[in-house]
Amino acid sequence: EVKLLESGGDLVQPGGSLRLSCAASGFTLSSYLMRWVRQAPGKGLEWVSSINAGGGTGYADSVKGRFIISRDNSKNTLYLQMNSLRPEDTAVYYCAKVLSVGTEGMDVWGQGATVTVSS
Amino acid sequence: SYELTQPLSVSVALGQTARITCGGDNIGSKNVNWYQQKPGQAPVLVINRDSDRPSGIPERFSGSNSGNMATVTISRAQAGDEADYYCQVWDSNTVVFGGGTKLTVL
Repeated sequence: EVKLLESGGDLVQPGGSLRLSCAASGFTLSSYLMRWVRQAPGKGLEWVSSINAGGGTGYADSVKGRFIISRDNSKNTLYLQMNSLRPEDTAVYYCAKVLSVGTEGMDVWGQGATVTVSS
Repeated sequence: SYELTQPLSVSVALGQTARITCGGDNIGSKNVNWYQQKPGQAPVLVINRDSDRPSGIPERFSGSNSGNMATVTISRAQAGDEADYYCQVWDSNTVVFGGGTKLTVL
């Protein structure tokens, strides 16, 4: 069964850092375009970052320069390093696998990791 | 930056047909994906690339895309279809979501 499992969500103070993990099972994560998508409380979905099979990365303007997406192929795990966190980064963070090419939809989602940025 | 516009809410009577729209500039030239999200759950892809249904998605779900509007149609609406629905496109190496539409089944 193809699954994604996030971990690492926590309460952190403004200006702090946090690293989210997303462990994949049932498929080879490095072969696919992977994304992080977040959802602030009571709000809609917002794309955060992507990493393609070749290792190329992309970021939303709201997190560029503060967040870093990466993966460990040996662990079949995706990461999101979040630095200089702000209250507006408070959200549930989902990792998701894209079906094939970038124009396609995200067919596998994790259950989400909750990040709360507050003093 | 590219924007997608969805109605905040749509209501449909049980067993009838619901249509949720997603507006964008020349959206017909892009591939539109649709997600269903129920409270407390992760989104589920229900329509891929305008009109393809992923495995496990009922035939009652269909999609179309032309001009400046994409639409997901839910036929014979059931209580279990009540959820938030989001459209999504890929534009200029960024992923864009619509604001979401809450579907209420009456």
